[in-house]
Amino acid sequence: GAVVSQHPSRVICKSGTSVKIECRSLDFQATTMFWYRQFPKQSLMLMATSNEGSKATYEQGVEKDKFLINHASLTLSTLTVTSAHPEDSSFYICSASGLAGGILYEQYFGPGTRLTVT
Amino acid sequence: SQQGEEDPQALSIQEGENATMNCSYKTSINNLQWYRQNSGRGLVHLILIRSNEREKHSGRLRVTLDTSKKSSSLLITASRAADTASYFCATVGVNTGTASKLTFGTGTRLQVTL
Repeated sequence: GAVVSQHPSRVICKSGTSVKIECRSLDFQATTMFWYRQFPKQSLMLMATSNEGSKATYEQGVEKDKFLINHASLTLSTLTVTSAHPEDSSFYICSASGLAGGILYEQYFGPGTRLTVT
Repeated sequence: SQQGEEDPQALSIQEGENATMNCSYKTSINNLQWYRQNSGRGLVHLILIRSNEREKHSGRLRVTLDTSKKSSSLLITASRAADTASYFCATVGVNTGTASKLTFGTGTRLQVTL
């Protein structure tokens, strides 16, 4: 099946700094990528949808200036958490959907990135 | 956005027993999917059932869908300790485009003990 990677898997940063998380589709072209946030023992909440070459569409309540998403190529999307605060500590998961997926609507998920802001 | 409810929130069974998890949703769907998540890990896609399907099987998994009740169930037969994980349902609504958004349920934490 299709493989999606995320880097880094874990990151600890100080309050006020910015952190970039990468999401890569390794063996297919991802026309659309999704970014989710998951708090402990809770469900995944969609943050934004990004299409290659265009601006991301953010869900209600998600600050676009704080969570910068770039989908510059068909295999890479990045999420930058700017001026991170402890309340941004969470598990961030990306998923990718593309032509090589085969089944319409199927998303392939990355392994997630654990962000801890101290 | 709407979010499905799953019950039970937590389920503890012994190895060999069957586990049933239920999911309810609020709006019309194109399809419903079930995912598994091991602690601190990403999601693994288990099975997809389309809105015109009522039941689907994959190995030890059986999924049913009742669109009139807006509900689905996931049955894991002959459970194993390795099935211990959180299970989420996720729906794709109608008219949502080529690569559609998933709306996740609240999840069921399954614990299978020896």
